[in-house]
Amino acid sequence: RKEVEQDPGPFNVPEGATVAFNCTYSNSASQSFFWYRQDCRKEPKLLMSVYSSGNEDGRFTAQLNRASQYISLLIRDSKLSDSATYLCVVNRRDKIIFGKGTRLHILP
Amino acid sequence: EPEVTQTPSHQVTQMGQEVILRCVPISNHLYFYWYRQILGQKVEFLVSFYNNEISEKSEIFDDQFSVERPDGSNFTLKIRSTKLEDSAMYFCASSLTGTDGTEAFFGQGTRLTVV
Repeated sequence: RKEVEQDPGPFNVPEGATVAFNCTYSNSASQSFFWYRQDCRKEPKLLMSVYSSGNEDGRFTAQLNRASQYISLLIRDSKLSDSATYLCVVNRRDKIIFGKGTRLHILP
Repeated sequence: EPEVTQTPSHQVTQMGQEVILRCVPISNHLYFYWYRQILGQKVEFLVSFYNNEISEKSEIFDDQFSVERPDGSNFTLKIRSTKLEDSAMYFCASSLTGTDGTEAFFGQGTRLTVV
């Protein structure tokens, strides 16, 4: 089983729609969790950290469920500029593991 | 805003040659990482480095690879004898700590092309 698994995608959604990304991780020793965004041929950039209490940053909401080892990201009122690959990232003591990413295309 | 810088941005090398990829992590960070991303594929962990030694490495990081922090600011990845399949984007990253929710910041990458 892969250490971090994400929806394979791609997601093609109209502008203004709500998009949900799902991620599961296999190692219960994982300690911290993030969503990164990667534009084509660019470096990954931190979108937000993920906490058990949930956290929100504008149109973005992230949630962590440690019991089920599940992480989610919700984007509301999606914009054309949200088109990118979204990477679920898990930090397990000196090793940061990336999921394969889910590509999002926002359609005008 | 502090950032991780990598040089060169693009390196073309012949198969069998040695390459050194250079990174300057954020100055007060303590953990350093190398990742690679083959075109169209996922970001893969290579190695993490803390307190002047490797703290973890992946199965990709074989004897052909080595890392060094030669002078307290640079962090280098050396590939001794490059193969065609080493062609990829190589990302350096640094974080303040290795755990406790601190995120890693990535450099813009070095695109390595082995011909």
